[in-house]
Amino acid sequence: DAGVIQSPRHEVTEMGQEVTLRCKPISGHNSLFWYRQTMMRGLELLIYFNNNVPIDDSGMPEDRFSAKMPNASFSTLKIQPSEPRDSAVYFCASRDRGPDGELFFGEGSRLTVL
Amino acid sequence: GENVEQHPSTLSVQEGDSAVIKCTYSDSASNYFPWYKQELGKRPQLIIDIRSNVGEKKDQRIAVTLNKTAKHFSLHITETQPEDSAVYFCAASSTGNQFYFGTGTSLTVIP
Repeated sequence: DAGVIQSPRHEVTEMGQEVTLRCKPISGHNSLFWYRQTMMRGLELLIYFNNNVPIDDSGMPEDRFSAKMPNASFSTLKIQPSEPRDSAVYFCASRDRGPDGELFFGEGSRLTVL
Repeated sequence: GENVEQHPSTLSVQEGDSAVIKCTYSDSASNYFPWYKQELGKRPQLIIDIRSNVGEKKDQRIAVTLNKTAKHFSLHITETQPEDSAVYFCAASSTGNQFYFGTGTSLTVIP
């Protein structure tokens, strides 16, 4: 398996623009997580899905952020409108079935909002 | 919810010495405790994990200990090497639920 695949790897955009980050989890994994990493706040959980259903979105900063998982092999994280403070590395991770499955991270999407 | 605290935030050791990173957790339902290593510009990757029915686990130069009563767990790296330099994260999780990460420890191994 190619692992968790994220795109784009790098995104530079201007304030106010819409940003869409994409993730393909490892096949067969039933949980998907979106994290945001900054120097100041470390790894923050934004939202996670079990079997394509959002379970906990309490980490989503505000209404400008939304996430979807239309099927087991694809998820998106959208920011609209983007702001400079959204600049961070966004990681998608998936977890395999079983009670204590390992969490596998994608390579991350580095977002810069000017 | 769960609260995971990690210390120290930075750690410098001489090559060949040992490094210890400690974490505490608050939720007694947590039963899985992984440790992740993140090199600069890379993704976090699992290096070792321990489950609540085990007190200690070792993998070559890396070991993890768990004290369920005190709700703390530690990462031990022996005979450190420059390539061990990275940020290390501890985490706690309960069955089927999310992972709660510590704030990370930046380890520098001085040659």
